[in-house]
Amino acid sequence: AQKVTQAQTEISVVEKEDVTLDCVYETRDTTYYLFWYKQPPSGELVFLIRRNSFDEQNEISGRYSWNFQKSTSSFNFTITASQVVDSAVYFCALSQNSGYSTLTFGKGTMLLVSP
Amino acid sequence: DAGVIQSPRHEVTEMGQEVTLRCKPISGHNSLFWYRQTMMRGLELLIYFNNNVPIDDSGMPEDRFSAKMPNASFSTLKIQPSEPRDSAVYFCASRDEQGIRETQYFGPGTRLLVL
Repeated sequence: AQKVTQAQTEISVVEKEDVTLDCVYETRDTTYYLFWYKQPPSGELVFLIRRNSFDEQNEISGRYSWNFQKSTSSFNFTITASQVVDSAVYFCALSQNSGYSTLTFGKGTMLLVSP
Repeated sequence: DAGVIQSPRHEVTEMGQEVTLRCKPISGHNSLFWYRQTMMRGLELLIYFNNNVPIDDSGMPEDRFSAKMPNASFSTLKIQPSEPRDSAVYFCASRDEQGIRETQYFGPGTRLLVL
């Protein structure tokens, strides 16, 4: 069975602070995909990143960066110099890399960035 | 390019009424997913179609829920009769099995309130 744990239910920061959202996963599959989605207050789910289990390179996209560590089964997400527009619920998700795969979501972390 | 389209965006109905939610996946995507999101249960997969065929409907709550995908560009999720506990946000997502595998793109959701 697959499982995704986002232990931080809610995080509050002040604008310009850096913040890291934690994601720990469990899977018996040797190959899999990891994802982050953003859900802003407007409610839609926005795809941010997909990472293949073979690729442990960290990724940076503007103020966003992701740290994938297979040894600790973690896929953490860091926002540098946070902004009010980053306020949202962030979901980490996991899927198999074979057959008819589906997404297993974590419970989400609500990030509140205040001015 | 148009994303996943869902209608209606908001639905308010009375207990016992039939509710039909609609989804148009991204053109060319051959997998479609219906999810339900509530505060208590988070994001739950209800049903998954591949090439218009239901692959996994284990998440469908009960017989009051039914989903169809008559063609590659349209799907419906029907609740009959509706109950207050069905109040939730219902998301549709689609995926391209041949292209960028494993990434699901979500529609804006339908907010359902059953009184």
